Amino acid sequence: GESVGLHLPTLSVQEGDNSIINCAYSNSASDYFIWYKQESGKGPQFIIDIRSNMDKRQGQRVTVLLNKTVKHLSLQIAATQPGDSAVYFCAEARATNKLIFGTGTLLAVQP
Amino acid sequence: NAGVMQNPRHLVRRRGQEARLRCSPMKGHSHVYWYRQLPEEGLKFMVYLQKENIIDESGMPKERFSAEFPKEGPSILRIQQVVRGDSAAYFCASSPPGQGGEKLFFGSGTQLSVL
Repeated sequence: GESVGLHLPTLSVQEGDNSIINCAYSNSASDYFIWYKQESGKGPQFIIDIRSNMDKRQGQRVTVLLNKTVKHLSLQIAATQPGDSAVYFCAEARATNKLIFGTGTLLAVQP
Repeated sequence: NAGVMQNPRHLVRRRGQEARLRCSPMKGHSHVYWYRQLPEEGLKFMVYLQKENIIDESGMPKERFSAEFPKEGPSILRIQQVVRGDSAAYFCASSPPGQGGEKLFFGSGTQLSVL
C-alpha cells in the first residue's frame, strides 16, 4: 500500500549540533513534499516544502533534500536549538488536496 | 490576524453521546480540512470542504461521522454515538481559495476523550 514513513522515531542531539531527520515514501508518482513541526499540544506548523523537480531546497537554518531514486527525503536543521524540540512529520501532497503524513520523529535537543 | 480556531480544546464524552467539534478557518480562507491524529501517529485525512460543499470525504468513516461547512459560521465535525476508538486529537486546517492541500494552516486541535 501507499505510505509515507520515517526511519527514526526519536532523535536526540546536543544544542548547536546539526540534526537530520529522514523520511521514506512509497509512491513514486508523488510530486510534492512538506515538512511540518508539531509542538506538544499544538497543530502542525509548516517548515519547508519541495517539489519533485528539485532535489534540494534551503530555508532559514533548514534544508530539505529529495532523492527520487530511492524515494527518500530528509530535513536538516543547522545549529539545533532547544526551541527546535518537537515532533517532525513529512507529508506527501497530491492533486486531490489530501496530505499523507508519516508517523513522525521526536527531536529532543539536549542543552 | 487570528489563525485557525478550534473549540473546544478538550472534549470528554461518554460512549453513545454525540461530539461536536468546531473550526473557524483563517480570515479569507474558504477551504477547510479535517484530520485525525491517534497518539504517536501521523495525521490522517478525513474530509475536505468548501463553503456549503463536501469536496472529498474519502477519509471519513461511513457511519456516525459527518462534516459540514455552512455559508455562515464555523465548520462542524460531528460524531454520533461515540465509541472509545474515537478518542483522538482532531485537527482542522484551512487554505485560501485557489490553493490546494499544500501549505495548510492548522488549528491547535480538539482532544476528544471517550469514557
